[in-house]
Amino acid sequence: GAGVSQSPSNKVTEKGKDVELRCDPISGHTALYWYRQSLGQGLEFLIYFQGNSAPDKSGLPSDRFSAERTGGSVSTLTIQRTQQEDSAVYLCASRQDPGQGVRNTEAFFGQGTRLTVV
Amino acid sequence: AQSVTQLDSHVSVSEGTPVLLRCNYSSSYSPSLFWYVQHPNKGLQLLLKYTSAATLVKGINGFEAEFKKSETSFHLTKPSAHMSDAAEYFCVVSEKGYNKLIFGAGTRLAVHP
Repeated sequence: GAGVSQSPSNKVTEKGKDVELRCDPISGHTALYWYRQSLGQGLEFLIYFQGNSAPDKSGLPSDRFSAERTGGSVSTLTIQRTQQEDSAVYLCASRQDPGQGVRNTEAFFGQGTRLTVV
Repeated sequence: AQSVTQLDSHVSVSEGTPVLLRCNYSSSYSPSLFWYVQHPNKGLQLLLKYTSAATLVKGINGFEAEFKKSETSFHLTKPSAHMSDAAEYFCVVSEKGYNKLIFGAGTRLAVHP
């Protein structure tokens, strides 16, 4: 597709359930990011994938959160045993390889998945 | 370590008057700097980016920003606000060799008739 695609666009889940959020990046983009945006807040970094390198997981808030990226393309963010504080919009972004010489490439964002834990 | 400070959480202007959204950054190395806009219930859209080729950067919708290394600032300006400019604006820094994008807390711009 032409842009970053996220699914579902909205997800309502019961506290304690597991959820999976999907991100399809722009074709050819080797860098992929997950961010979280709580109501009225800025963007909180969660995790970053770059090619075949080990992901930067430094932003994951707890071990209930995990993410994978299969085949260097699609990524899934999984939240286990969801809590009410997990309610937020989860944003995915992809970026052309920000290595030497292309470090100024911008990130393209999806529309996000709005997660509501009840 | 990288960080971004947006000095105003809310800015309110009248239509037709200038806009100034302030951003200061902290970076150990030569940074990449971006401004993104988020309209209500919409995704994030790139307004402009600093590529180190020119300190004054022009973006979409009449916005521009000036990179001032001595002041570690990258303020966003527009000569004349339009009602459609009402949105949340984010200043973002990315450091060379360190690919995490660090977002400021955002500035909510309100434009009044």
